[in-house]
Amino acid sequence: AQSVTQLDSHVSVSEGTPVLLRCNYSSSYSPSLFWYVQHPNKGLQLLLKYTSAATLVKGINGFEAEFKKSETSFHLTKPSAHMSDAAEYFCVVSDEDSNYQLIWGAGTKLIIKP
Amino acid sequence: GAGVSQSPSNKVTEKGKDVELRCDPISGHTALYWYRQSLGQGLEFLIYFQGNSAPDKSGLPSDRFSAERTGGSVSTLTIQRTQQEDSAVYLCASSYRAGPTDTQYFGPGTRLTVL
Repeated sequence: AQSVTQLDSHVSVSEGTPVLLRCNYSSSYSPSLFWYVQHPNKGLQLLLKYTSAATLVKGINGFEAEFKKSETSFHLTKPSAHMSDAAEYFCVVSDEDSNYQLIWGAGTKLIIKP
Repeated sequence: GAGVSQSPSNKVTEKGKDVELRCDPISGHTALYWYRQSLGQGLEFLIYFQGNSAPDKSGLPSDRFSAERTGGSVSTLTIQRTQQEDSAVYLCASSYRAGPTDTQYFGPGTRLTVL
């Protein structure tokens, strides 16, 4: 069965510095992986997705993630954090065994210091 | 075009009462999912509909939970005899199909509070 582990519940960075949100997955197959963002009191928004094409995936708002099969990782990065990036970020794997329902990590809260 | 909509946005109810939560998916999307997000947690899958096929109910936490999807469009999630542990945000998502490349689009959610 697939699973997702987000290694940090909270990440705090200063504005203008790089962001790294870590995610490891477990899957028997070549997985489909996603990062979603949830801003306070707003709905979930897809940041980017990996579906077995290019291993480096670019998303919205300057975010990107790299699929590393050897490390079973799909870490999310951004070169320079903005205050507007403060939100909760979820790493997600699509479960091929169960109608592609999404299996969610517990989330990482990104805090941006001025 | 219009996104996924859910109603009500907030629902406060007393323990033991029944509640109904509604989801309007994106027009033309055949797959519809319900998830639950408890405070500080990731999302938990509840139920899945695909076209006219029988729903996948494997995520429903108890027989107090049920859902239907009428005409392949609007869906209603019903919770009977609500308990305090049912308090959460209930999210609906739809996708064009159910496949590895299909993006699920989420509604704003219904925040349920059981007193």
